[in-house]
Amino acid sequence: DTEVTQTPKHLVMGMTNKKSLKCEQHMGHRAMYWYKQKAKKPPELMFVYSYEKLSINESVPSRFSPECPNSSLLNLHLHALQPEDSALYLCASSPDPLGEAREYFGPGTRLTVT
Amino acid sequence: GNSVTQMEGPVTLSEEAFLTINCTYTATGYPSLFWYVQYPGEGLQLLLKATKADDKGSNKGFEATYRKETTSFHLEKGSVQVSDSAVYFCALSDSGNTGKLIFGQGTTLQVKP
Repeated sequence: DTEVTQTPKHLVMGMTNKKSLKCEQHMGHRAMYWYKQKAKKPPELMFVYSYEKLSINESVPSRFSPECPNSSLLNLHLHALQPEDSALYLCASSPDPLGEAREYFGPGTRLTVT
Repeated sequence: GNSVTQMEGPVTLSEEAFLTINCTYTATGYPSLFWYVQYPGEGLQLLLKATKADDKGSNKGFEATYRKETTSFHLEKGSVQVSDSAVYFCALSDSGNTGKLIFGQGTTLQVKP
């Protein structure tokens, strides 16, 4: 199994809703990442988990809350989002956060905030 | 700080044409360099990589050579196909420091039959 899976594929939520994005990998990778990608732009790093601990938070607003329940799973909890948070959210993993083998990306969740 | 600059797109080519997408970088130390491809409606896929000067990465007919003297990592393909239409991102890794990937702005390639 050499892929990163993400659910749901699409999500529409109101500004008062609470929802979660899920990411899973079974490659034994010890680093997992959340990225945000706006249309026609490169991905922007949000969070890095290294060995199940949060190692990088790129000054992301608290309405985004990451969670790494175990080495295979990564969640992104969403609450009180704004319309400008609408974007493609990409999960990625890599064997080692400082190694040469780079990230495997999931297909993304396309989020629309109404 | 480290940065990546890609040629602006979109690039429009006819099928079987030669492709070059320019990428230059600014970095301290010796980063690894990558090309990622994003097909419409999908996530990113690692296309190829090079980890040290003069290394050539190659995959699916695409090639790029790590040129330290010109700080470049240009992507080339000898004969493009319609299925190569996608957005291409050049990136470098902040290896040994934070391990973060730093992306260029992306270049849209459209190949017409």
